[in-house]
Parts: sequence; structure tokens; C-alpha cells
Amino acid sequence: DSGVTQTPKHLITATGQRVTLRCSPRSGDLSVYWYQQSLDQGLQFLIQYYNGEERAKGNILERFSAQQFPDLHSELNLSSLELGDSALYFCASSVTGLAGRSSYNEQFFGPGTRLTVL
Amino acid sequence: GNSVTQMEGPVTLSEEAFLTINCTYTATGYPSLFWYVQYPGEGLQLLLKATKADDKGSNKGFEATYRKETTSFHLEKGSVQVSDSAVYFCALRDSGGSNYKLTFGKGTLLTVNP
Repeated sequence: DSGVTQTPKHLITATGQRVTLRCSPRSGDLSVYWYQQSLDQGLQFLIQYYNGEERAKGNILERFSAQQFPDLHSELNLSSLELGDSALYFCASSVTGLAGRSSYNEQFFGPGTRLTVL
Repeated sequence: GNSVTQMEGPVTLSEEAFLTINCTYTATGYPSLFWYVQYPGEGLQLLLKATKADDKGSNKGFEATYRKETTSFHLEKGSVQVSDSAVYFCALRDSGGSNYKLTFGKGTLLTVNP
């Protein structure tokens, strides 16, 4: 158990809908990262938040957005869903995610949310 | 940009066989290198890491050496067990700036038969 929790575990929805994925980082971790794992694209970085602020963006679609709240949990919002959005969405957390000791940047992954768009 | 290339799977071995999964990378600067493992139905777990050239990461009998001259970080294990069956991901992380995202390879599925 990494200490990172994600809910829900599974989500089935229809095209055009909107869903919210939730992530709670390990206690004490300030950075949260979101990754998408799909069969054709593999594991791709979407976005990173540090202490409530967006820190880095990857291959995140404009239909997707995220935020990190004062209690440090994070939500990933996916809207106007398409069939191709079906994937495993992982959240990871690290102590800082900033320059400094590499051990503070080690990322611990949650179990993932499997999204199926029908 | 950064990229990671790892050998295509699936890899099927018998118990106690020797394992090598090749991984090469392209990156600017001096990235940190990682191997993650994903067991069926679970998230990713860090298996081992190396943060500078010639470092050897090791854990649970797995080893990988950071080779800057060949930009490689091959994963090896001398004697695999059925419980090692999983998907293995090679990954890198930039060394500088404030972007600490991980760039992953496509993953290699390992199946170990008794």
C-alpha cells in the first residue's frame, strides 16, 4: 500500500458526459501528479500540482482540468468524454516535486481509476 | 524531448531463468532513471532507481546500472520466480528545472511459468 488513495476504482459512463476522479496523496506529500495509461499511448504524464498550484503540464487535453485543494487532495475533471478517453488514470504524490534532494521527489502511485466510456 | 525505449514484450520465461529487459533513453542533461513494476490489477511500484552515471540500483534480486555512454538502464535478475510476473516500466525524470514528471517506456509484460 503506497498511501495514495484514488476513488472511484471503476467508472463507466457515456460519451459526452463529465466525470471527476479524486486523489488523496500520502500524508505530508505536497505534490500530486496525474498520469493516463492507455493501450495505444502507454503511460503519459498529464499534470502536476504543488501545494495547490499548477506546476507542470504534459499531454493534457483542453477538455480535462485538475485542481489541488487546501487539504492537498486533488481532482481530475474530464468533460465531453470520448471513447478514446477510456483508460487507467493514476495519481502519484511526492514530498516536494521541487529542486532539492532526489528522495523528496520520489513518486508513489495510487491504485488507479479505470474509466470506461461507452 | 525526453523518451524511453524498452524492449517489446511479452517475455515468457521458466522459473529460475535469467531475465534481461533492455531500456535505452534520450534526454538532455543527467536524468534519474527508474524501473517500476505493475502487478495485475494494481498501481505502479518503484522497483529500483539510479540517479547518476554508473550507479547501480537493486531491489528484490533485480539490478540495473545507469550507463551514460550507452544511454541504457537494462533490468536484470539472475533467477526469476512465478511471483515476478508483472509489467515492468522503465522511466526517467529530468534532472533540472521544476518539472519532475516521469517519462515512461511502453512497458514489458513478463510471464514466468513454473
